[in-house]
Amino acid sequence: ETGVTQTPRHLVMGMTNKKSLKCEQHLGHNAMYWYKQSAKKPLELMFVYNFKEQTENNSVPSRFSPECPNSSHLFLHLHTLQPEDSALYLCASSLNALAPDEQFFGPGTRLTVL
Amino acid sequence: GEDVEQSLFLSVREGDSSVINCTYTDSSSTYLYWYKQEPGAGLQLLTYIFSNMDMKQDQRLTVLLNKKDKHLSLRIADTQTGDSAIYFCASVSGYALNFGKGTSLLVTP
Repeated sequence: ETGVTQTPRHLVMGMTNKKSLKCEQHLGHNAMYWYKQSAKKPLELMFVYNFKEQTENNSVPSRFSPECPNSSHLFLHLHTLQPEDSALYLCASSLNALAPDEQFFGPGTRLTVL
Repeated sequence: GEDVEQSLFLSVREGDSSVINCTYTDSSSTYLYWYKQEPGAGLQLLTYIFSNMDMKQDQRLTVLLNKKDKHLSLRIADTQTGDSAIYFCASVSGYALNFGKGTSLLVTP
C-alpha cells in the first residue's frame, strides 16, 4: 500500500450506532488531519495531530472522537451522529504540521447517517 | 465572507484554455495551493506557489499570484476531457489549509 488509505470507503449508519473510520499513511509523515467535505461548503478542518499529539480541535462536536495511536494511523470514532453529519470525511497527512507543507489526501469515507 | 472564494462552475471546450480564479483573505499565507479532486477520489496537489513569486509555470499549468489584490489564478492550457474535475484553491493558516468551495470544471468535446 502506498500513500494515504482510508477504510471503509462508504458507511451507512443509524443515529444510535457507533462506528469508526480508519486512516493509514505510508509516507513517513508526522502530521495527520481529519477534514469534513459537505456539499456546497468549503472543506472544514476537524482535527490535527502532530507527532501523535492533538494540536487542533476545530470546535468539533463531542460525538466525533479522534484517536492517533501512532504517526501512521488515525481514527475517527463516531457516536450518536445526526443526519447533518452525512458528508465525505477526508484524511490527510503531511511531513510536519508546524510547517506549511503539501498535504496528501486519502480517497475519503462517504458517510450517510439515517 | 469566506477565507477563500472561488467561482463554482466553469465550462470550456476541449483544446481551449481554462482559467480558474480565487481570492483569499490571509495575507500571511506563505504558500498558496491548487488541488484537484476527481469523482470518488481525495484531493491531489496540482501545484503551489510561494507567496514571494508572481508566476509559476509547470507544463500545461500556469499559476498567477497578485499578492496586492490577494488574487490567485490557475490557467490550464490545451484543456482535455481528463481535466474535468473540481479544483480547490487553498491558503495556509496555522496548522492547516483553508480551502475554497471548489470550482467544477467541465470540459466538453
